[in-house]
Amino acid sequence: KQEVTQIPAALSVPEGENLVLNCSFTDSAIYNLQWFRQDPGKGLTSLLLIQSSQREQTSGRLNASLDKSSGRSTLYIAASQPGDSATYLCAVRVSNYQLIWGAGTKLIIKP
Amino acid sequence: GAVVSQHPSRVICKSGTSVKIECRSLDFQATTMFWYRQFPKQSLMLMATSNEGSKATYEQGVEKDKFLINHASLTLSTLTVTSAHPEDSSFYICSAREDRHNEQFFGPGTRLTVL
Repeated sequence: KQEVTQIPAALSVPEGENLVLNCSFTDSAIYNLQWFRQDPGKGLTSLLLIQSSQREQTSGRLNASLDKSSGRSTLYIAASQPGDSATYLCAVRVSNYQLIWGAGTKLIIKP
Repeated sequence: GAVVSQHPSRVICKSGTSVKIECRSLDFQATTMFWYRQFPKQSLMLMATSNEGSKATYEQGVEKDKFLINHASLTLSTLTVTSAHPEDSSFYICSAREDRHNEQFFGPGTRLTVL
């Protein structure tokens, strides 16, 4: 059974720092992995999608890596800003119909 | 990224009434759409998965007669909360899977308050 774990559960850093959020999964048989952010009271925004055959994806200040064999993904945020404050969720796709979710990392960027 | 819209964004209704929430994929076709609910400070909970033109598959514990789902086209799914009660008050979020890349996009959510 696939399980997804995100560490840390919460993180507070000063503005400008680079940071890494971690996601691990127990079964390497995945279609892809997605990183999302959720702002309080809002829906989810898809940040990056990494297919199972890919190693990393980049979008602006965000870089996500995937090591399927070790069951790990990281989301790297460069030069963090207060607007990056949100809950970050990773999810692995195990079928066309099913995403398995991590519990999220609540990120606070202090001005 | 692709856009999923939801309407309404917020609804307040009286107990016993029915509420319909629309979910549209604006710039892509979605054979599969999903409905989630989320309670404050909790994770998303998948309610049901719908495929265009067929009956939805409901998760365990979700009443299919209470939460009616229709996915009549490749860009539209609706969730109707029938005979709503205060305990149905929640944040409902729809999602659509973009077929080509198997990427899932989420709507902005609908906050339902049942008085």
